[in-house]
Amino acid sequence: ELKVEQNPLFLSMQEGKNYTIYCNYSTTSDRLYWYRQDPGKSLESLFVLLSNGAVKQEGRLMASLDTKARLSTLHITAAVHDLSATYFCAVTANDYKLSFGAGTTVTVRA
Amino acid sequence: DAGVIQSPRHEVTEMGQEVTLRCKPISGHDYLFWYRQTMMRGLELLIYFNNNVPIDDSGMPEDRFSAKMPNASFSTLKIQPSEPRDSAVYFCASSFGRGIQPQHFGDGTRLSIL
Repeated sequence: ELKVEQNPLFLSMQEGKNYTIYCNYSTTSDRLYWYRQDPGKSLESLFVLLSNGAVKQEGRLMASLDTKARLSTLHITAAVHDLSATYFCAVTANDYKLSFGAGTTVTVRA
Repeated sequence: DAGVIQSPRHEVTEMGQEVTLRCKPISGHDYLFWYRQTMMRGLELLIYFNNNVPIDDSGMPEDRFSAKMPNASFSTLKIQPSEPRDSAVYFCASSFGRGIQPQHFGDGTRLSIL
């Protein structure tokens, strides 16, 4: 069974500072996804990472993938309030079933 | 373009009643997924379809749960009879092709069983 662990589960960020969310998974995977969920809302796709060393950036968010370490990171640069949300990583192992991490709830304070 | 459309958005019903959740995937998408989200268990895949055919229903919790996809633009998830522990947010998602593209999620149905 594919297990996905995120840490931290809760992250209080100060505006303007940098932070990293970690996503570890238990077995070989060929795809890793990052999603964002605002309270009471749907899940919004942020990044799809397909290969070892893949790096994608959008605004203040940058995601990377190390398939050998079975690790992905989501780096937040100079946090701002509108980044407050829950961030999920999800992994699939050669099929279409996504296994989600527990989510990291981010709160950005002034 | 319209996204994944789910109905109803909220459902409150009494234990023992039948509940039917509905989903319209994005046009052209050939995969459809049903998920359940709870505080205790997080996001769980219940079942998924490819070209209207159920491929994997191993996540369906019990025989009380059933899902159908009669055509490419409509799917239902039914719970009969419903129980309080079924209370959750149920999401439908769809995607195109061999899975490289992300799954697009609907707004979810918030289900409360009293």
